Amino acid sequence: EVQLVESGGGLVQPGGSLRVSCAASGFTFSNYWLAWVRQAPGKGLEWVANINQDGSEKYYVDSVRGRFTISRDNARNSVHLQMNKLRVEETAVYYCARDVSSFDHWGQGTLVTVSS
Amino acid sequence: SYVLTQPPSVSLAPGQTARITCGGNNIGSKTVHWYQQKPGQAPVLVIYSDSDRPSGIPERFSGSNSGDAATLTISRVEAGDEADYYCQVWDRSNVHRVFGGGTKLTVL
Repeated sequence: EVQLVESGGGLVQPGGSLRVSCAASGFTFSNYWLAWVRQAPGKGLEWVANINQDGSEKYYVDSVRGRFTISRDNARNSVHLQMNKLRVEETAVYYCARDVSSFDHWGQGTLVTVSS
Repeated sequence: SYVLTQPPSVSLAPGQTARITCGGNNIGSKTVHWYQQKPGQAPVLVIYSDSDRPSGIPERFSGSNSGDAATLTISRVEAGDEADYYCQVWDRSNVHRVFGGGTKLTVL
């Protein structure tokens, strides 16, 4: 059974940094793209970033490019999102998802709250 | 960047057929995926590649895509289908994934 489990969310001040992580199991991790998708309270889904199988290709939504960094560790079956210079409007649940063009499996998400 | 437009809400009675549209410029040339999200839960893929159903998704869910609109059709709607539905495509021009704004399906 495919499982994705996010961790690392919490409260951070505007301008601060946070790293969220996703532990994967139940599939051959190194064969798949992975992605982060976020959802602000009461709002829709927004794709944030994705990364290819060996980490050599990374793509970001324009609003986070230069501040967020996606990475993966195929030895530990994990993917991470380093978020710097966070903004209040980036308060959201951050989901990890397996990316096969569609997002066929999702984690339960981790809440990131950006507030003073 | 590519924009996907969905109606904010659709309401109908149990047993009726729901059709949720996803509009985009020449979306028929792209591959569309659909997600169902119930309150407090993660999204679930219900249609991929325009019209394919993942295992475990009822046959009542179907999809189509042509011209400037893709459509998610839910036949014989049930109370348990009440949820937010999102369409999604891959924008080849900048390699980004794009979501529609979502449609809230209410079963009266």
